[in-house]
Amino acid sequence: EVQLVESGGGLVQPGGSLRLSCAASGFTFSSYEMNWVRQAPGKGLEWVSFITSSGSTIFYADSVKGRFTISRDNAKNSLYLQMNSLRAEDTAVYYCAREIVGATGSDCWGQGTLVTVSS
Amino acid sequence: QSALTQPASVSGSPGQSITISCTGTSSDVGGYNYVSWYQQHPGKAPKLMIYDVTNRPSGVSYRFSGSKSGNTASLTISGLQAEDEADYYCSSYTSSGTLYVFGAGTKVTVL
Repeated sequence: EVQLVESGGGLVQPGGSLRLSCAASGFTFSSYEMNWVRQAPGKGLEWVSFITSSGSTIFYADSVKGRFTISRDNAKNSLYLQMNSLRAEDTAVYYCAREIVGATGSDCWGQGTLVTVSS
Repeated sequence: QSALTQPASVSGSPGQSITISCTGTSSDVGGYNYVSWYQQHPGKAPKLMIYDVTNRPSGVSYRFSGSKSGNTASLTISGLQAEDEADYYCSSYTSSGTLYVFGAGTKVTVL
């Protein structure tokens, strides 16, 4: 079964840091590009970051550029999101999502992990 | 504010067809065939319904179809069913410097 499982969310103070992980199983993780997408409580989806299968090319949304770092470890079938200088507006459920090979769209999503930034 | 414009809500009766629009610019929707659509039920992760404007992933009902004209993409749901009641989001590749943008979402209500 193809599966993505996020972890690492929690409550953090403004200005703090958090590292999210996404464990992949049931498919050849190293062959797929990956995304992080977030959803603030009661709000819509917001694309956060993208990484190619090898990790050689990375993109970020303007809202997180310079504060968040996406990475992956293909040997561990894992995707990461290091989040620094967190702000209240970063409060959201964070999803990792697998990109379709050779096309545009995420065909597999994790269940999400909640990040709450509050004092 | 979202880069892609969607109507806040669309409704229809069972069996009817509805269409959700997604309007962008020539830098995203209009310039590339890289529009995707997602369905999200409350408390659940999004589900891919359409990719690359018109393509349906395996397992998605034929009642869902996508199209594009100029800077506006559309998702049509035919033979509306109660289970189609959900939020729907469009997404597009953008050449504006980031990579992807989402619409604000459309709440579909089955009357």
